[in-house]
Amino acid sequence: EVQLVESGGTLVQPGGSLRLSCAASGFTFSDFWMTWVRQAPGKGLEWVATINPDGNDKYYADSVKGRFTFSRDNAKDSLFLQLNTLRAEDTAVYYCTRYTRACDLWGRGTLVTVSS
Amino acid sequence: DIVMTQTPLSLSVTPGQPASISCKSSQSLLHSDGETYLYWYLQKPGQSPQLLIYEVSKRFSGVPDRFSGSGSGTDFTLKISRVEAEDVGVYYCKQSKQFPLTFGGGTKVEIK
Repeated sequence: EVQLVESGGTLVQPGGSLRLSCAASGFTFSDFWMTWVRQAPGKGLEWVATINPDGNDKYYADSVKGRFTFSRDNAKDSLFLQLNTLRAEDTAVYYCTRYTRACDLWGRGTLVTVSS
Repeated sequence: DIVMTQTPLSLSVTPGQPASISCKSSQSLLHSDGETYLYWYLQKPGQSPQLLIYEVSKRFSGVPDRFSGSGSGTDFTLKISRVEAEDVGVYYCKQSKQFPLTFGGGTKVEIK
């Protein structure tokens, strides 16, 4: 089955760190760009970051640049998003998506809550 | 950054009636490669977003033909020819012409 499964979301204190993972299956992961999109509670969709197939080219939203790091392991069909210096406004469901300029495949998301 | 503006904010539609959502971008989405990178997504209640329309007017796999997209440059429209109960949710447009990728604020569609 073609799918993306995120994990790693939890409650973390402001200033803390977290690593999100996304496991891909059912398609040739190493062929695709991938993207993280987040959604704050009751709010709209916000692009976070995009990575190219070999992991050497990355783009970040200004709101997370310098704090978040996007990486991938093509041998394990996995994505990682390292979240550092977390703020209350980073509280959101984080979705992993396959990116072909369209986000044509979405995971179910993982909830990150930043609160003391 | 390209700003995406959707109208209306919400829509209440009688089943079987048409619905239309507008999306305007702050600059043309026509890329130098000749493609226009405008997309439509639907997020049904409690679910992840799903792709409906790509490159303005192409229906994604499995999307019913009552959904259609149109437009060019900076003005785009998503139309539902006959709304069904399963179409409720929030619709988003998105541009992928350039980074940062940007979404419209969303249009909530509900059934009367």
